[in-house]
Amino acid sequence: SQQGEEDPQALSIQEGENATMNCSYKTSINNLQWYRQNSGRGLVHLILIRSNEREKHSGRLRVTLDTSKKSSSLLITASRAADTASYFCATDESIQGAQKLVFGQGTRLTINP
Amino acid sequence: GAGVSQTPSNKVTEKGKYVELRCDPISGHTALYWYRQSLGQGPEFLIYFQGTGAADDSGLPNDRFFAVRPEGSVSTLKIQRTERGDSAVYLCASSWSPRTDTQYFGPGTRLTVL
Repeated sequence: SQQGEEDPQALSIQEGENATMNCSYKTSINNLQWYRQNSGRGLVHLILIRSNEREKHSGRLRVTLDTSKKSSSLLITASRAADTASYFCATDESIQGAQKLVFGQGTRLTINP
Repeated sequence: GAGVSQTPSNKVTEKGKYVELRCDPISGHTALYWYRQSLGQGPEFLIYFQGTGAADDSGLPNDRFFAVRPEGSVSTLKIQRTERGDSAVYLCASSWSPRTDTQYFGPGTRLTVL
């Protein structure tokens, strides 16, 4: 089963514009992570935000977390063609002391030159 | 240093055949995870190893699926009597320790069952 739901499922914007993707989840979490995936293969870790944090920045990325609404957003500023990829949020679910990641269905982002 | 590697990158097999998928985690990582990703979906958890033992295999869909990690490093995911519904990308991830937050993913193995 998948906990997170990304919105929108697909997003197409012009290069240079900002892209915003949203994620909602169902249960309480310790942290939430965003990953990028190119061409349906390996996932690249982008950023992690903990449940006691509200906002986090990394380069052109800004992530917010609202635990009262069980939602998070990923903002990519000044988008580039290389940002074209699928973006997934993942929440943690503790298993035997480790972390099982529960992913949403992802947002397919297309940056048009 | 080298990241997580997976072999083969692509595997095409016929229904009913047996397949093995290999994962080489980052050196020193004690925790290893397998996920499966169907087309258009996010990855779904299959099994987690801490060292040599499978600490949680609750995500394995049925008893045709089995995974091992005999020496606490390389892991092999084994699928018996493959079915067309097993077609997916199988992703492996590793982390320094079970409680480390960031999991590092390999490029995946795309399995196609004809």
